[in-house]
Amino acid sequence: NAGVTQTPKFQVLKTGQSMTLQCAQDMNHEYMSWYRQDPGMGLRLIHYSVGAGITDQGEVPNGYNVSRSTTEDFPLRLLSAAPSQTSVYFCASSYLGALYNEQFFGPGTRLTVL
Amino acid sequence: AQTVTQSQPEMSVQEAETVTLSCTYDTSESDYYLFWYKQPPSRQMILVIRQEAYKQQNATENRFSVNFQKAAKSFSLKISDSQLGDAAMYFCAYSDGSQGNLIFGKGTKLSVKP
Repeated sequence: NAGVTQTPKFQVLKTGQSMTLQCAQDMNHEYMSWYRQDPGMGLRLIHYSVGAGITDQGEVPNGYNVSRSTTEDFPLRLLSAAPSQTSVYFCASSYLGALYNEQFFGPGTRLTVL
Repeated sequence: AQTVTQSQPEMSVQEAETVTLSCTYDTSESDYYLFWYKQPPSRQMILVIRQEAYKQQNATENRFSVNFQKAAKSFSLKISDSQLGDAAMYFCAYSDGSQGNLIFGKGTKLSVKP
């Protein structure tokens, strides 16, 4: 199993550009999520999904779009990048069940918006 | 809303010694989960230990143990026999378990002196 993969690892954008951060998992996890990590801050939830076709907002959703057309993939879209979106982005996935299931994190994408 | 607070931005320990990292949280839920994650310079998020709120017994994983005080809403991490490889950012995190969403503290940077 590859686990949770994210592409690209690094990206530099200009203000106003758009891009998609890719996230994929091969563990058949129902739950997937996106977090951002800023200096001096812990990870903050952007969007999450509990299954194909189902998404919801987290703590900091503004400026980001998501969709979940398959169980495996959960892309994060920046429609018009802003310097405030400079951050490290993590994707995570897990099973869903009555009890908590461990979340598996991807390696992260470092995004710089100039 | 739930919050997680780590009051020690940085900590230092001598190799082979013991160190305790502090974490407090706020929630009105009775069932929830608490975690400590390690983030080395590679930035990979690694689950160190987890505690279910309904369990009175403190969790342990080899050299890592927690002191879970539910009434005080405190969840500290003790690292025994510290090793150079323990140097990293440590994040305390909370989940109510319903969907897996995590709420993180701001982290504690641990340095290990040889």
